[in-house]
Amino acid sequence: KNEVEQSPQNLTAQEGEFITINCSYSVGISALHWLQQHPGGGIVSLFMLSSGKKKHGRLIATINIQEKHSSLHITASHPRDSAVYICAVAGGTGNQFYFGTGTSLTVIP
Amino acid sequence: DAGVIQSPRHEVTEMGQEVTLRCKPISGHNSLFWYRQTMMRGLELLIYFNNNVPIDDSGMPEDRFSAKMPNASFSTLKIQPSEPRDSAVYFCASSLTGPTEAFFGQGTRLTVV
Repeated sequence: KNEVEQSPQNLTAQEGEFITINCSYSVGISALHWLQQHPGGGIVSLFMLSSGKKKHGRLIATINIQEKHSSLHITASHPRDSAVYICAVAGGTGNQFYFGTGTSLTVIP
Repeated sequence: DAGVIQSPRHEVTEMGQEVTLRCKPISGHNSLFWYRQTMMRGLELLIYFNNNVPIDDSGMPEDRFSAKMPNASFSTLKIQPSEPRDSAVYFCASSLTGPTEAFFGQGTRLTVV
């Protein structure tokens, strides 16, 4: 049983499209993180959320604590957004993450 | 700060050999995490240190795996003896205590043949 479920697993979009990646979790959390992993493997933290909404450039992340659900949106998608996006929830007192399986995004020019 | 530094970036070793992976966390961070990523299982937490003390090692696969943090600026993950199923990318991450942003190293890609 996965504590964190992401959807879709794979996503292909045309450049310029609006993209949404969803994450649902079943455990109590102190925070939810969205991570980005490019081909070649480096992992970058995009957002950390404990409530509400955050925006960074073309990326928007929202969380609904009551529904245990978060979404990552990418507006005006670009080929350089192609990566794996991973939802991770932090339980306990630190960043002991439970990870989703990731969403592989390919943006086609 | 240069970020979380892991070494080596790539390691190829023969089955049965000892492997040591190294991590230097971001200065001032007091939490350090070792994660493993495989195609089959995705990312998994192996062990978590807070103020150099192991807090949660429930993710360590078996006794062949051990991790140490002798001081605030250095940690090692050792596999002895290594097996082909240990082949994976091993990530180290560091953060401040509590729900704060975690910073990941570039990872060590381990191949055991």
